[in-house]
Amino acid sequence: AQSVSQHNHHVILSEAASLELGCNYSYGGTVNLFWYVQYPGQHLQLLLKYFSGDPLVKGIKGFEAEFIKSKFSFNLRKPSVQWSDTAEYFCAVNADSSASKIIFGSGTRLSIRP
Amino acid sequence: DAMVIQNPRYQVTQFGKPVTLSCSQTLNHNVMYWYQQKSSQAPKLLFHYYDKDFNNEADTPDNFQSRRPNTSFCFLDIRSPGLGDAAMYLCATSRDLGQGADTQYFGPGTRLTVL
Repeated sequence: AQSVSQHNHHVILSEAASLELGCNYSYGGTVNLFWYVQYPGQHLQLLLKYFSGDPLVKGIKGFEAEFIKSKFSFNLRKPSVQWSDTAEYFCAVNADSSASKIIFGSGTRLSIRP
Repeated sequence: DAMVIQNPRYQVTQFGKPVTLSCSQTLNHNVMYWYQQKSSQAPKLLFHYYDKDFNNEADTPDNFQSRRPNTSFCFLDIRSPGLGDAAMYLCATSRDLGQGADTQYFGPGTRLTVL
């Protein structure tokens, strides 16, 4: 069965620190990959996505993610975090291009110390 | 502008008392989804509608039903809520199915409490 693993449940960083959130998936075929973010009290919103092409994907608010097929990974990065990045981050995979079933990871809560 | 709207934001019901959660969208998307998200867990897909075609996930309990009377609205009916059904229920839409069209847009969710 397809699955998505996010290694860190809670990450605490100081402002200006660099961020990397891990995401691994289990599926050997073609995948679409997503990172969603949920700010406190707000709805889930798309941060970035990978469908094909350049494996380094840039998203909103300075986030980027790199798809490494050989490692089944899609880690999220940001060189310098801000207090406003405090949120829950979900990695998600759609491994069936004919449908839209997205499998979500369990999420990583990011807390930024001002 | 709100694109996916869920009402109510908070719902309290009694054990066994039917409850209906509402979702509406202004995006004119073909696909509408319902997810269940329990505390500290990933959102779990319950079912989705592609236009009027209903697609149930294999492990969704029969207690959960859905209706989509038109493009804009979709309802989640829980026929006999149990304590284990307390969760956040998320509605989402996508323009279509398949690669390139399946970015999902989420509503704010309805938090269901079962007493």
